[in-house]
Order: sequence, then C-alpha cells, then structure tokens
Amino acid sequence: DQQVKQNSPSLSVQEGRISILNCDYTNSMFDYFLWYKKYPAEGPTFLISISSIKDKNEDGRFTVFLNKSAKHLSLHIVPSQPGDSAVYFCAVSASKIIFGSGTRLSIRP
Amino acid sequence: KAGVTQTPRYLIKTRGQQVTLSCSPISGHRSVSWYQQTPGQGLQFLFEYFSETQRNKGNFPGRFSGRQFSNSRSEMNVSTLELGDSALYLCASSLGGAGRESYEQYFGPGTRLTVT
Repeated sequence: DQQVKQNSPSLSVQEGRISILNCDYTNSMFDYFLWYKKYPAEGPTFLISISSIKDKNEDGRFTVFLNKSAKHLSLHIVPSQPGDSAVYFCAVSASKIIFGSGTRLSIRP
Repeated sequence: KAGVTQTPRYLIKTRGQQVTLSCSPISGHRSVSWYQQTPGQGLQFLFEYFSETQRNKGNFPGRFSGRQFSNSRSEMNVSTLELGDSALYLCASSLGGAGRESYEQYFGPGTRLTVT
C-alpha cells in the first residue's frame, strides 16, 4: 500500500525549460511535504519542503506546490540546468518520513 | 562539519549469514534513521533511533534490528540473510526535534549489500 506515489519513473527536459515533477499521496494527515534529490553514488539531499497549511513555497529556481483537495504535490524547476539531472524523491513527514519511488530527471542540452 | 559516514561501503554475504552495518551521524545530531533502497521501491523506512531509543519502526521483519550508542552512532543488524535483502542501505541523521529538525535529514553514501 503505497502512501506516496511518483507515477513517472523518468523525465527528460531541455536545458532552460521548466521541469515539473509530480507526486500523489493518500493520507490527509501528513504535516510536511518534502522533496529530496539524489545523485549517483551519493545519499539523498534535502531540497525543499512545504507545510500542510500552505499551498506554495519558493526557494530560488525551485517551487513546490501543494493541492490538498487533490492530494497532489509538484516540484517546478525553472530554468532547468544540467546540474539538475538527478533522481528526485517526494516524501511526506508524519511520525516518520515516507518516500516515493523517485523520478529520474535528465536535462538535455 | 563532517558528514554522515557509513561503513562498510560494500559488502557481499551469503544467504543465511548475518551482517552489521555502521553509521556515524553528524556531530550534534541525536536522531539516526535507516532506510532500504531497492530498484523501483524508493526508500523504505526501517527504523529511527533517538537518544539510544527506538522511536519509530517500519514494516520489516524482526530479522532487521538496530541500536544506538550514547555518542549517537548507530548500527543495523540483519540476521539470516535472504537474497531479497540485497539493497542499498542508507542511514540519515537529523537534530531529531519537531518539524524541520526532524524531516531535514542528512544521508550517508550508503552500504551496498549483496546477498548471494
């Protein structure tokens, strides 16, 4: 029973364009919604978060949107850069952190 | 400040054996969490230790156990290894308080365990 789903295993975006990564969750009781980024041979690194009481949070090129009625979370990266190529995990925080299966983002020149 | 370290980085074991993995958190971090990563499954939460006590536990069998020492270092043990235990095991540390102190976790590079 997956509580956090990332339905796109991979995404390819041209450099300079917008990357949109999506995530769906099933439980309305989560406090925080998170995005982590993972490069090969490294552990994931925290990227950005959003509280359940907000619907948008920006940090530079990264914006996270939360649609509670749809139980949907998205991460926008604008403009996309080659260094953004990585696996992105969405996650939710309750008593523990529950991660999705990840989306591999590739930025092509 | 030194990051999270995990030892060993790679390990090959035979089915039925047991294994112990080690994690040293960032200095000052009191919470250590363990995750299993397999292809297509993302990161599956194993357990979290805070101040030497198990605070949360995931849905893994009792063959998976852990402990935390007074210096916050943590070990994870898997007994009676099965082929399906082959995975990347990641540990993460955090301050362990509420909100961001808990969910902003710093991960180590992982231990790649192969069971043959």
